[in-house]
Amino acid sequence: GAVVSQHPSWVICKSGTSVKIECRSLDFQATTMFWYRQFPKQSLMLMATSNEGSKATYEQGVEKDKFLINHASLTLSTLTVTSAHPEDSSFYICSAKPPRGASSNGYTFGSGTRLTVV
Amino acid sequence: GNSVTQMEGPVTLSEEAFLTINCTYTATGYPSLFWYVQYPGEGLQLLLKATKADDKGSNKGFEATYRKETTSFHLEKGSVQVSDSAVYFCALINTNTGTASKLTFGTGTRLQVTL
Repeated sequence: GAVVSQHPSWVICKSGTSVKIECRSLDFQATTMFWYRQFPKQSLMLMATSNEGSKATYEQGVEKDKFLINHASLTLSTLTVTSAHPEDSSFYICSAKPPRGASSNGYTFGSGTRLTVV
Repeated sequence: GNSVTQMEGPVTLSEEAFLTINCTYTATGYPSLFWYVQYPGEGLQLLLKATKADDKGSNKGFEATYRKETTSFHLEKGSVQVSDSAVYFCALINTNTGTASKLTFGTGTRLQVTL
């Protein structure tokens, strides 16, 4: 079945540094990927929709200069948290639309990345 | 717009008890409905889905029926196990847009099963 790999699974970084999170579709091509943020014991908040070969579409309130998304190939989307601060600490999850094309099949999720900024 | 409402948790049950997690939705047209499960420290896994009215999704003993008349998609399991302890998310995709539709999630319901 469709598998999405997310890396790293956890990362600790210092304030002011940048962190890159990768989301790969392992056995299918994903023209569209989604990036979510999840706060402790809360639901997922959609941050942006990543489209291969074009600019990402950000949800209202999400700083696009802070959370840089690149979807340069059909199997890889990256999220870079720039100049990270402690308030950026969170669980970030990506998902990809499956190859069969039908949204009614649901989307496949990565295992998530726990980011801690100290 | 689209929205999903789930019963608030946490839900605490003894092993082998019957589980119901309520989910209702608001959407135009005919959305597809999903239940996802998230185990501690992990991403989401698709548990089951239903794409049209009266469809029943089922997996690992869990079931949910797409009820258009009540706009509901309640999750049930006849006998829960400790290993079912997780957070359960109800979600929908409105496929009417013709583009890569976004998943709309409920707030999640934490299930804790004890021996």
